[in-house]
Amino acid sequence: AQTVTQSQPEMSVQEAETVTLSCTYDTSESDYYLFWYKQPPSRQMILVIRQEAYKQQNATENRFSVNFQKAAKSFSLKISDSQLGDAAMYFCALYGNNRLAFGKGNQVVVIP
Amino acid sequence: DAGVIQSPRHEVTEMGQEVTLRCKPISGHNSLFWYRQTMMRGLELLIYFNNNVPIDDSGMPEDRFSAKMPNASFSTLKIQPSEPRDSAVYFCASSLIPGGLRDYGYTFGSGTRLTVV
Repeated sequence: AQTVTQSQPEMSVQEAETVTLSCTYDTSESDYYLFWYKQPPSRQMILVIRQEAYKQQNATENRFSVNFQKAAKSFSLKISDSQLGDAAMYFCALYGNNRLAFGKGNQVVVIP
Repeated sequence: DAGVIQSPRHEVTEMGQEVTLRCKPISGHNSLFWYRQTMMRGLELLIYFNNNVPIDDSGMPEDRFSAKMPNASFSTLKIQPSEPRDSAVYFCASSLIPGGLRDYGYTFGSGTRLTVV
């Protein structure tokens, strides 16, 4: 079975500051993908960033970057220069064994 | 492409009634997924289809739930009879497996918020 664990249900960050969301996972697959999705109040699920397990280089998308530690099964998301539009629920997800499993999510609150 | 299209956006129904949720995946995607989101259980995979064939329905809660994919451009999730505990947001997602995983993961629809009273 695959599991994804996100702690710290809610995180607050000052506008323009940096926040890091933690995610750990467990899988027996050797080939898998990791994702972070954003869900704003509109409830649309929006892909933020993706990482292929066989790639050692950490993925980066503009202000979003990950710290992928394969041996530790850790996949944290860093949001730099936080903006009000970053306020949302963030879900860590693991694809392996033909399914995408999600963590319970982190609520990010951006303080102006 | 307009993305994954779900309808209706909101549905309110009385307990015991039949509910049908609809999904149009992105053209060219070979896999379609139905998820349910609740505060208590988060996002749960209900069923997924590959090339219109149901591959894994182990997440379907009980026989009251059924899903079909008659062709590559349409899928339905039906609940009959509905119960208050079925109240949730139901998402449809599609992807091109495996190539799409590298490029964009799953693409989700806007979801249907179901309220059973």
